[in-house]
Amino acid sequence: KAGVTQTPRYLIKTRGQQVTLSCSPISGHRSVSWYQQTPGQGLQFLFEYFSETQRNKGNFPGRFSGRQFSNSRSEMNVSTLELGDSALYLCASSFGTSGGSTDTQYFGPGTRLTVL
Amino acid sequence: GENVEQHPSTLSVQEGDSAVIKCTYSDSASNYFPWYKQELGKRPQLIIDIRSNVGEKKDQRIAVTLNKTAKHFSLHITETQPEDSAVYFCAASRVDDKIIFGKGTRLHILP
Repeated sequence: KAGVTQTPRYLIKTRGQQVTLSCSPISGHRSVSWYQQTPGQGLQFLFEYFSETQRNKGNFPGRFSGRQFSNSRSEMNVSTLELGDSALYLCASSFGTSGGSTDTQYFGPGTRLTVL
Repeated sequence: GENVEQHPSTLSVQEGDSAVIKCTYSDSASNYFPWYKQELGKRPQLIIDIRSNVGEKKDQRIAVTLNKTAKHFSLHITETQPEDSAVYFCAASRVDDKIIFGKGTRLHILP
């Protein structure tokens, strides 16, 4: 079974631009969660989507948004990029049926975003 | 959810010795506590998890203990090996709420 995939793997943007990241979950998984990983803050939860609906949300500004498609693939968008948005963005998928964050999560390789 | 504190931030142990990483959580309703291992340049991977109806769980050299009253849980690695060198993250969550991760522990296994 193929693992979680993310595209692109690396991205360089300038302040003020916007970016869209993509995540394809493991086949059969209906939940996709997004995380921001930085050296100082560790893994921070952004949001979780299940059956095309946002089920949980972390404490990030509205510039961070996401969506999920009917095939469970998910995209994350960051508008008006700031220098502090430079990070590794990880997505994780799970079956999602036992209640979002209490399922085993399988992480993708991440997208390394650099904002200049 | 809410807050998870993880200690220590860095840990060095001699190969063959044991390593212990501790986490505390603030939300008494949390009922799922996974541990993830992230090797350098790789994605986090689940190594063990425990649910609140269990006090201890073991898988070969790895064990996790949970004290619900004190709201803390710990990861124990025995007979450490070089391949155990990595960053370890604890986390706490409950059904239909966001998962909260600790800030991670960098474990170094010394030869």
